[in-house]
Amino acid sequence: QPVLTQSSSASASLGSSVKLTCTLSSGHNIYIIAWHQQQPGKAPRYLMKLEGSGSYNKGSGVPDRFSGSSSGADRYLTISNLQSEDEADYYCETWDSDTRVFGGGTKLTVL
Amino acid sequence: EVQLVESGGGLVQPGGSLRLSCAASGFTFSSYEMTWVRQAPGKGLEWVSYISPSGNAIYYADSVKGRFTISRDNAKNSLYLQMSSLRAEDTAFYYCARVQQRTDYWGQGTLVTVSS
Repeated sequence: QPVLTQSSSASASLGSSVKLTCTLSSGHNIYIIAWHQQQPGKAPRYLMKLEGSGSYNKGSGVPDRFSGSSSGADRYLTISNLQSEDEADYYCETWDSDTRVFGGGTKLTVL
Repeated sequence: EVQLVESGGGLVQPGGSLRLSCAASGFTFSSYEMTWVRQAPGKGLEWVSYISPSGNAIYYADSVKGRFTISRDNAKNSLYLQMSSLRAEDTAFYYCARVQQRTDYWGQGTLVTVSS
């Protein structure tokens, strides 16, 4: 089954951009993933579905500042013009025939 | 508007049982796959179980296999998770979530605490 690897933490300044990475395990680099945001004390929120081609589809109400891209086994979430409310945990998700997998999450700090 | 509202969480002793419910609204429940995902305090997300729209296909994480049972009642727009032989490590927020390939809507979660 696939495994998703994320850095445990990231930080960037207010108004700048940040690129978070989710890496698929060997043999799974064509898998589609999803990105989710979890603000402190809240339930997760779906952000987007991201394909290996780099094509992505965002959820309802997700700001234009959020975008996705891909390179090989890496799936990226880029947040532009960082806002204070973007400080959150970000999780990637993928799935197989009989299982679903989440990455360990990246804690984003907005400086 | 899609809404998923979990209930049934609480404090239970080790070895005990609990049944979680998830009330769905704002979409045609019987057409969608559903899952349960949990999150231990201060930890990441862990997939627990999946059920197909008709209930014919059901899958579990190894950590809960044989102890948890997922089910649904499409007439009542409801998803359930029957949990038995509960352990301290099952303590977590439990989220009901809708699936369309990926998870696209989440409930607000219900807290299950397993402690004596």
